[in-house]
Order: sequence, then structure tokens, then C-alpha cells
Amino acid sequence: TQLLEQSPQFLSIQEGENLTVYCNSSSVFSSLQWYRQEPGEGPVLLVTVVTGGEVKKLKRLTFQFGDARKDSSLHITAAQPGDTGLYLCAGNVGGGSNYKLTFGKGTLLTVNP
Amino acid sequence: GAGVSQTPSNKVTEKGKYVELRCDPISGHTALYWYRQSLGQGPEFLIYFQGTGAADDSGLPNDRFFAVRPEGSVSTLKIQRTERGDSAVYLCASSPWTGSGELFFGEGSRLTVL
Repeated sequence: TQLLEQSPQFLSIQEGENLTVYCNSSSVFSSLQWYRQEPGEGPVLLVTVVTGGEVKKLKRLTFQFGDARKDSSLHITAAQPGDTGLYLCAGNVGGGSNYKLTFGKGTLLTVNP
Repeated sequence: GAGVSQTPSNKVTEKGKYVELRCDPISGHTALYWYRQSLGQGPEFLIYFQGTGAADDSGLPNDRFFAVRPEGSVSTLKIQRTERGDSAVYLCASSPWTGSGELFFGEGSRLTVL
């Protein structure tokens, strides 16, 4: 059972454009994380959100956790080719320990020069 | 090295063979995790160690899969009687302690079962 639905599955844009990708679930998460994965490498943590309604910024990336802690979004401003990769959201349902993460299938982003 | 190291990076084997995949976590990290990522999917939890013991092995798909971490550092994932459906990238991650909130992943071991 896939608890986390990510959309879109694929996204191809031109350098300089803005974009938003989504992570949705029917389950409530105690925390949610976003990772970026490049080909042949493991996922790298970008951010952890914990509080409903929380917004975090990481340079050109803005992450938002839904008020009900069931969904999240990632917005990238002025995308660059270096942003290309697979963006994964991962949620911890159990609370406390973050060890047993449930991952979505990811959004594969391609930023063309 | 500074990061999580996994060997081999690629393994091709025949159906029915036995396979071992090794993970060397970041020094000092007490928690170690194994995930499996099939093509087009996100990583799927397999097993988690806190120190030497398997704290949660509920993600192992069946009894052909087994993992050990005898000295609380290096871990080995063992797969018996491999099947074509076992083909995937096996990712290892470590974190400083349980619930630290950040998993550091290795590059993965790509297993292909012919």
C-alpha cells in the first residue's frame, strides 16, 4: 500500500521557471522529510517538517507542511539544471523515532538549460 | 571514508544463488537501516538495527532475507535462493541515533538476478 502519493510523476521544465511538486496522503504524519536523489546515488535529505502549517526555506526551495500534517509541497523558484533529480517525500507515521520512513514514488524533475 | 559505504556497487547473479551485500556506516552512528528501491519506486523499508540487534525486521519480504550487524558497525544483508523479483537497488543508511531525524544513505548496491 502506497501511503504517500507524489505528483506529478515526471516534470520537465526550462531553466529559470518555477515549479511546485506535491506529496499527499490520507494518513497523518508526525514528521515529513524531502529528499533529492541523483542517478546512481542514495537520497540526500533536504528538509524535515514537523509542525502543521510549517514553512521552511532552503535557498530557492520552499517546503510547506499541511495544517493537518497529511500533505506537503515543494516549490522551486528559478530552477537550475543542478536541481535535476528525483524528489522523494518520506513520512514517519509512528511518531518519535524517524527510522521507519514510508517513501513516495518521487517526482523526476528535469531542468533543461 | 566520510560517508556510508556499500559494496559491491553492482552484483549480477543467477536465480537460486546466494548473495551478500555489505554496508559500512558512518563512524559513530549507532542506527543502521536497509531499504530496497525497485525501478520507478521510492525506497522501501526492510530492517533497522540499533547497535547490534535488529530492532525491527518487519520489512523483510520473506525468510530468504536476513541481515546481521555483529559488532554494531558493519552490516551484511544476506539473500538466499535469489529470485528475479529480488532485482533492485539495496540502500543502506545510518543515523547518529534512533530518531535523530536524518538518514545518511549510501550509494546503494544494484542487484540483478538473471
